[in-house]
Amino acid sequence: EVQLLESGGGLVQPGGSLRLSCAASGFTFVNYAMSWVRQAPGKGLDWVSAISGSGNSTTYADSVKGRFTISRDNSKNTLYLQMNSLRAEDTAVYYCAISSGFYSNPFDYWGQGTLVTVSS
Amino acid sequence: AIRMTQSPSSFSASTGDRVTITCRASQGISSYLAWYQQKPGKAPKLLIYAASTLQSGVPSRFSGSGSGTDFTLTIRSLQSEDFATYYCQQCYSYPWTFGQGTKVEIK
Repeated sequence: EVQLLESGGGLVQPGGSLRLSCAASGFTFVNYAMSWVRQAPGKGLDWVSAISGSGNSTTYADSVKGRFTISRDNSKNTLYLQMNSLRAEDTAVYYCAISSGFYSNPFDYWGQGTLVTVSS
Repeated sequence: AIRMTQSPSSFSASTGDRVTITCRASQGISSYLAWYQQKPGKAPKLLIYAASTLQSGVPSRFSGSGSGTDFTLTIRSLQSEDFATYYCQQCYSYPWTFGQGTKVEIK
């Protein structure tokens, strides 16, 4: 059974940093691309970043480019999102999700999400 | 970025109704279109990918169609567990983008 468990969310001040983790199990981690998708309170889904199975390819939404960094540790079956220079508009539930490929594949499974609140 | 527009944004329906949700892309995306269902407080769940392929385990009352710029999600006979918000998503080119969502409520 595929399981994705996010952690690392919490309350942070504007301009602060946070690192999210997503621990994966139930599938061969290196064979899947991973993404972060967020959802602001009461709003729709917003894709943030993606990384290929090997970790060699990454891409970001313009809204987070230069502030967020996606990475993965295939030896630990874990995905990360380093978030710097956080803004109020980054407040959201952050989901990790898996795709069968880096290109042209939907999100097969999603984690339960972790809430990030940016506020003073 | 490719803009995805869903309609309607919300509507009320009764159990047993046939419902259709539409999704329009701002440019052609071939069949690189997925549909997700999300219930309050839960993560989204993949229903359909490649515009019309049913994800394993999804009831056959759900179906999808379309290609290019215009797509539809149809629920043949609405069940109580289907009241939720539905999102379309293009995976044709980065950045991946979603429609704004369609909330299906009980009449």
